[in-house]
Amino acid sequence: DQQVKQNSPSLSVQEGRISILNCDYTNSMFDYFLWYKKYPAEGPTFLISISSIKDKNEDGRFTVFLNKSAKHLSLHIVPSQPGDSAVYFCAASANDYKLSFGAGTTVTVRA
Amino acid sequence: DADVTQTPRNRITKTGKRIMLECSQTKGHDRMYWYRQDPGLGLRLIYYSFDVKDINKGEISDGYSVSRQAQAKFSLSLESAIPNQTALYFCATSAASLEGGVLQETQYFGPGTRLLVL
Repeated sequence: DQQVKQNSPSLSVQEGRISILNCDYTNSMFDYFLWYKKYPAEGPTFLISISSIKDKNEDGRFTVFLNKSAKHLSLHIVPSQPGDSAVYFCAASANDYKLSFGAGTTVTVRA
Repeated sequence: DADVTQTPRNRITKTGKRIMLECSQTKGHDRMYWYRQDPGLGLRLIYYSFDVKDINKGEISDGYSVSRQAQAKFSLSLESAIPNQTALYFCATSAASLEGGVLQETQYFGPGTRLLVL
């Protein structure tokens, strides 16, 4: 039973526009959330994170929003660039050392 | 040089064969992990180790075993490979911090091993 769900397997966006990736979770004990980015033939790389004591975290073009009551988080990429084309994984942990991952969303940035 | 390396990067084997996937890290982290990735399922945890003497099963450990030879090395073995173990395998290490009472664990992944079991 997947506790972290990314319901959109793919997203296509025009260069310069905003990309919004969504993630839902079912485990109310999750208190730390991460986004990873993965290119083909490479391992996932850490992108940005947020803890449950915050509702927003920003790092350059990337912003993560957390809505604890809805058990939902989202990643905004503004503006989207061709190098952002990749698979994005949402992950969560519950005050331990294990991460639960979503199935991933493939982002394609069109020129 | 990469902080987390995996060998081999690609492997084709036959049903029933024993194979070993190796992982090394230079990050100095105590915690190491093995995951597999299947299409539509994300990454699933196979085994994890908090130090050389501490090995734990993840959510899908059946058919796998591990060895933590040193702080920097963590190997995954398939004792008798079967076709449904065809997948992408990732090793990871992690660092954690405690902020505002929340344990913040960030994992760093190797480049992966693509395994095909015929």
